[in-house]
Amino acid sequence: GQSLEQPSEVTAVEGAIVQINCTYQTSGFYGLSWYQQHDGGAPTFLSYNALDGLEETGRFSSFLSRSDSYGYLLLQELQMKDSASYFCAVRDGDFNKFYFGSGTKLNVKP
Amino acid sequence: EAQVTQNPRYLITVTGKKLTVTCSQNMNHEYMSWYRQDPGLGLRQIYYSMNVEVTDKGDVPEGYKVSRKEKRNFPLILESPSPNQTSLYFCASGAFIGRADTGELFFGEGSRLTVL
Repeated sequence: GQSLEQPSEVTAVEGAIVQINCTYQTSGFYGLSWYQQHDGGAPTFLSYNALDGLEETGRFSSFLSRSDSYGYLLLQELQMKDSASYFCAVRDGDFNKFYFGSGTKLNVKP
Repeated sequence: EAQVTQNPRYLITVTGKKLTVTCSQNMNHEYMSWYRQDPGLGLRQIYYSMNVEVTDKGDVPEGYKVSRKEKRNFPLILESPSPNQTSLYFCASGAFIGRADTGELFFGEGSRLTVL
């Protein structure tokens, strides 16, 4: 089966750096994505890693290690608006299914 | 404006009364899919479609049907809704072919369904 593990909640202060980890077990890995979701809103895409290494987009970076079945999302210079839930998602290339983690609620405090 | 549009956004219905949640995208995406989101469970894939007339089951397809007669539309049908289908539903689309493949899913605003 497929399973993804990520912490349920993380708290950090404004201006700090936070890392949200995701470990996965899947049968047909194609790529790892990250999504942000504010309360009551739609998930919005942050990043996608198909190959090992670091992808950087502004204040957000995402890392993937396929050999370790592990990835993380790094958020720098935290702002209050970054308070949201963050989901990792594995794309199963064999069937183009997507499997989501249960989400990490990030609380940013002043 | 590129978007995925779902309707209705909110619906309260009763057990057994058939309903359809519509989903439309204007980005010419081949791939479309439906998810349900329940507290503590993240998003779970119900059905997906790689192209017109091509649909397949996701992780939790029981009690749902879909159709893909046109590229832009992918309705979710609940033939006989039950209370355990009370949930927040999201439709999403993506371009996953060749150079257009960025791995990105574009989500609709969600449809909150309550089955009494």
